[in-house]
Amino acid sequence: KAGVTQTPRYLIKTRGQQVTLSCSPISGHRSVSWYQQTPGQGLQFLFEYFSETQRNKGNFPGRFSGRQFSNSRSEMNVSTLELGDSALYLCASSWGSPMNTEAFFGQGTRLTVV
Amino acid sequence: GENVEQHPSTLSVQEGDSAVIKCTYSDSASNYFPWYKQELGKRPQLIIDIRSNVGEKKDQRIAVTLNKTAKHFSLHITETQPEDSAVYFCAPYSGNTPLVFGKGTRLSVIA
Repeated sequence: KAGVTQTPRYLIKTRGQQVTLSCSPISGHRSVSWYQQTPGQGLQFLFEYFSETQRNKGNFPGRFSGRQFSNSRSEMNVSTLELGDSALYLCASSWGSPMNTEAFFGQGTRLTVV
Repeated sequence: GENVEQHPSTLSVQEGDSAVIKCTYSDSASNYFPWYKQELGKRPQLIIDIRSNVGEKKDQRIAVTLNKTAKHFSLHITETQPEDSAVYFCAPYSGNTPLVFGKGTRLSVIA
């Protein structure tokens, strides 16, 4: 079956702009989580969506937002980009149940803010 | 929320030696303990996991041990090989929170 797909793979944006990243989960998965990965900081949790509702949120400013559609595809938006937002953004999909929690990651979107 | 710490942050071993990475967590309700491996330029992937009703699980050269009383679990890799070189993440889970990952341990296996 198809894996988790993220688009685009690479983005270069200017400070102050906004950006939208997309994540298509594995078919049947209802949970999509987003993570920011930077050197030395590991995988920092942004938010999780389950059945179109934000179920959990990490400690990121309100400039970071997301949504999930009825087909479980998810988008993440970052407004008013800052240099420090440069990172690899990974999404992960899962069944979202306590007994079936394995997260399957996409290849990531590498965002560079200049 | 869950406070997760991994030690060490970097680890170098000779090929054939063993490697141990420890993960401590704060949420006593955690009941699922996975380890993910991320090779350079690739996505993280689950390599082994354990649930709280068992103390140890093995899969060929890798194993995970759990000490719920002390709130830590460890990844053990025996007979290390160059392809074991990667960053390893733990992500203790309680069922009420998303997967929150540790900061990772960079393992280098020296041939």
